[in-house]
Amino acid sequence: GNSVTQMEGPVTLSEEAFLTINCTYTATGYPSLFWYVQYPGEGLQLLLKATKADDKGSNKGFEATYRKETTSFHLEKGSVQVSDSAVYFCALRPRNSGNTPLVFGKGTRLSVIA
Amino acid sequence: DSGVTQTPKHLITATGQRVTLRCSPRSGDLSVYWYQQSLDQGLQFLIHYYNGEERAKGNILERFSAQQFPDLHSELNLSSLELGDSALYFCASGEGPSGGWEQFFGPGTRLTVL
Repeated sequence: GNSVTQMEGPVTLSEEAFLTINCTYTATGYPSLFWYVQYPGEGLQLLLKATKADDKGSNKGFEATYRKETTSFHLEKGSVQVSDSAVYFCALRPRNSGNTPLVFGKGTRLSVIA
Repeated sequence: DSGVTQTPKHLITATGQRVTLRCSPRSGDLSVYWYQQSLDQGLQFLIHYYNGEERAKGNILERFSAQQFPDLHSELNLSSLELGDSALYFCASGEGPSGGWEQFFGPGTRLTVL
């Protein structure tokens, strides 16, 4: 079946530190991959996406590269800010015929302290 | 703002009761997906509608039902509520004119069953 595994949180970093949140997946075929972010008290916002192998998604200083050989989609940011404190979800969407729901990882809570 | 609206934002009710959650997708999107977010289960897919038709069911209880109307808004009905149904319920829309693979989430309805 399809599944997403992401690193357990919480992760606590100082401002301007480097961030990596690991995400690996299991899927048949070549899914599309996503990172969503959930700020306190809000819904999920799409942060970035990649739809094929070696694609790099990027947004707001965050990056993730679709690695087919390691079935990974790790999220990185070079210098985090307090405003990045949120829960980050890695997700995949199987690319079967027809429309399919997202499969989410359990989420990683990030706290950035000044 | 994702363009997806959900009402109400908060709902407090008692065990055994029935509630209806409403979702309006982004303009032009044909699909509505319902997800449940709870502390112990994470984000779980419940059900998917496309252009008025049910397309897929996930971990949806028999006490729960949904429909999508001709104007494409959707309602999730939860009946015989139990304490364990307390959760955040999100809808997401997709399959719009842009043809992208992402889903856009509403702000969620927080259901508390007392």
